Amino acid sequence: EPEVTQTPSHQVTQMGQEVILRCVPISNHLYFYWYRQILGQKVEFLVSFYNNEISEKSEIFDDQFSVERPDGSNFTLKIRSTKLEDSAMYFCASSDPPASHEQYFGPGTRLTVT
Amino acid sequence: LAKTTQPISMDSYEGQEVNITCSHNNIATNDYITWYQQFPSQGPRFIIQGYKTKVTNEVASLFIPADRKSSTLSLPRVSLSDTAVYYCLVGGGGGADGLTFGKGTHLIIQP
Repeated sequence: EPEVTQTPSHQVTQMGQEVILRCVPISNHLYFYWYRQILGQKVEFLVSFYNNEISEKSEIFDDQFSVERPDGSNFTLKIRSTKLEDSAMYFCASSDPPASHEQYFGPGTRLTVT
Repeated sequence: LAKTTQPISMDSYEGQEVNITCSHNNIATNDYITWYQQFPSQGPRFIIQGYKTKVTNEVASLFIPADRKSSTLSLPRVSLSDTAVYYCLVGGGGGADGLTFGKGTHLIIQP
């Protein structure tokens, strides 16, 4: 069964550093998403991406964040200057509406900012 | 967005049927009801989606009354591996929208 993959599984960085989280969505999917989940809290939507541009973004997704699809397979989330409160699990997801209603989530990248 | 209310936690035993009910009094006409499952340190996984009446797939059933103000996820014959957090989401069914998760129901299955 096709799946969304994410790298790295765990990233440790110092406050103020830039990080790039990588995702490979399911190959025939056209919609891509990033979510985050702070430890013990709910899953929060960050951004959706379609046709090489942002479709929707939440209040969390401020100028510190950016997304990119640099080639035909990868989808990245960049955090420019990390803060302690950016520590969370970051999930990538992809979907293929209207063929399917579901969003397929990756295993996540645990980001720890020290 | 319609707000959802579901129990914070539930306990059951292996082999039992588990029903988790979600309230969504302000559901809009074009909203679908979707349930996701999440294990610790994993991404959410789609379980089932419906608009009205009953939907069944290989893992669960979803019951939606005529007024659509609530829904019930039914898990038949649960096992220990069904211990997880279950989220009820209400929104456009097109699959292209960002999902809004609540706190979910933490289901604990005991032997």
